[in-house]
Amino acid sequence: EDQVTQSPEALRLQEGESSSLNCSYTVSGLRGLFWYRQDPGKGPEFLFTLYSAGEEKEKERLKATLTKKESFLHITAPKPEDSATYLCAVRAGGGGADGLTFGKGTHLIIQP
Amino acid sequence: AAGVIQSPRHLIKEKRETATLKCYPIPRHDTVYWYQQGPGQDPQFLISFYEKMQSDKGSIPDRFSAQQFSDYHSELNMSSLELGDSALYFCASSTPSSEQYFGPGTRLTVT
Repeated sequence: EDQVTQSPEALRLQEGESSSLNCSYTVSGLRGLFWYRQDPGKGPEFLFTLYSAGEEKEKERLKATLTKKESFLHITAPKPEDSATYLCAVRAGGGGADGLTFGKGTHLIIQP
Repeated sequence: AAGVIQSPRHLIKEKRETATLKCYPIPRHDTVYWYQQGPGQDPQFLISFYEKMQSDKGSIPDRFSAQQFSDYHSELNMSSLELGDSALYFCASSTPSSEQYFGPGTRLTVT
């Protein structure tokens, strides 16, 4: 059974204080690891897709990396508007329309 | 850019009633997914469709059914509603094997 574990569950940072969020996964045949941002009561917003170990992607203050067992979402010099829940998800299996398995997310609060 | 459209945005039903949720994917996306997110929980995959055929099945109760139509929109039908069905229901769309884009969700409250 596919499993995704995110840590920490919650993280409070000061504005400008960089940190990293962790996503550990166990899947049989990874076909993509995804990072989403979710604001309360809204749908998850796509951030990144990573497919193979060693891959890295960046977008503004965010950078996602992938190893064979985990992924990190690094946030550099965060601003209050970066406050949200960050969800990690994996897709396994052989079909192109397979559902995602999500972790429980990291609730990030950036204080001014 | 066009996004996934879901309707209704809010729905209140009583126990044992039925509900139908609708999803209109991003133009040129032929794959639709349904997820359920309970309070404080992560999204749970229910079911997906590709080219109007069921593709993958997750933890969808037998009381629920779904289909995708020729214009690629999808409907999730929920019968014999229970209090535990109260949740946010998200639809996502994609092209095959690409990232999924989520809609704003339908908040279902069962009383």
